Amino acid sequence: DGGITQSPKYLFRKEGQNVTLSCEQNLNHDAMYWYRQDPGQGLRLIYYSQIVNDFQKGDIAEGYSVSREKKESFPLTVTSAQKNPTAFYLCASSTPGPRNEKLFFGSGTQLSVL
Amino acid sequence: QQQVKQSPQSLIVQKGGISIINCAYENTAFDYFPWYQQFPGKGPALLIAIRPDVSEKKEGRFTISFNKSAKQFSLHIMDSQPGDSATYFCAASLAGNTPLVFGKGTRLSVIA
Repeated sequence: DGGITQSPKYLFRKEGQNVTLSCEQNLNHDAMYWYRQDPGQGLRLIYYSQIVNDFQKGDIAEGYSVSREKKESFPLTVTSAQKNPTAFYLCASSTPGPRNEKLFFGSGTQLSVL
Repeated sequence: QQQVKQSPQSLIVQKGGISIINCAYENTAFDYFPWYQQFPGKGPALLIAIRPDVSEKKEGRFTISFNKSAKQFSLHIMDSQPGDSATYFCAASLAGNTPLVFGKGTRLSVIA
């Protein structure tokens, strides 16, 4: 059953702590993305990667870091520098080809601060 | 230039009515306009999409209307049902491998 798996579904962060959100896909997609969703703010792009070992900052990259060591995996680390991390985080991948148009999303991780 | 402005922020429609959500953009280089549907606690999923070479695209009860000169596009949901209650996002993309730009979303509630 192909798709994108995000884990955990709920995550709590303490002050000063780094936390890592997992995103795995078995769709054989080259491109992967991380979005942050806040009520009334839509989907804001944090980081994206078009190919293994390469990634680019999105609109709100400060306080976040990513890696893309494997095609299937694109973990997101929320660092202690991110002062307002409470949000719903969505990972996505897109179909291969010259236009990465159709996004497939995971079910999201809700991150809250203790 | 990179923004997509979506309205309204929330919408309540009677069952059987027509739901209309509007989006506007500035960058005339955008050439692909999808709509995504998101249910609570889930990730968005592609609903329908259009390219600027056509003025309308229909899939079942869902229709995109596109006005290139006005730089606007809209989603119409005919015969709206309670199961259509969700958040809807419009988006736009440029040619090349650039990420989609999303609107801020519209929360639709269809009441019986």
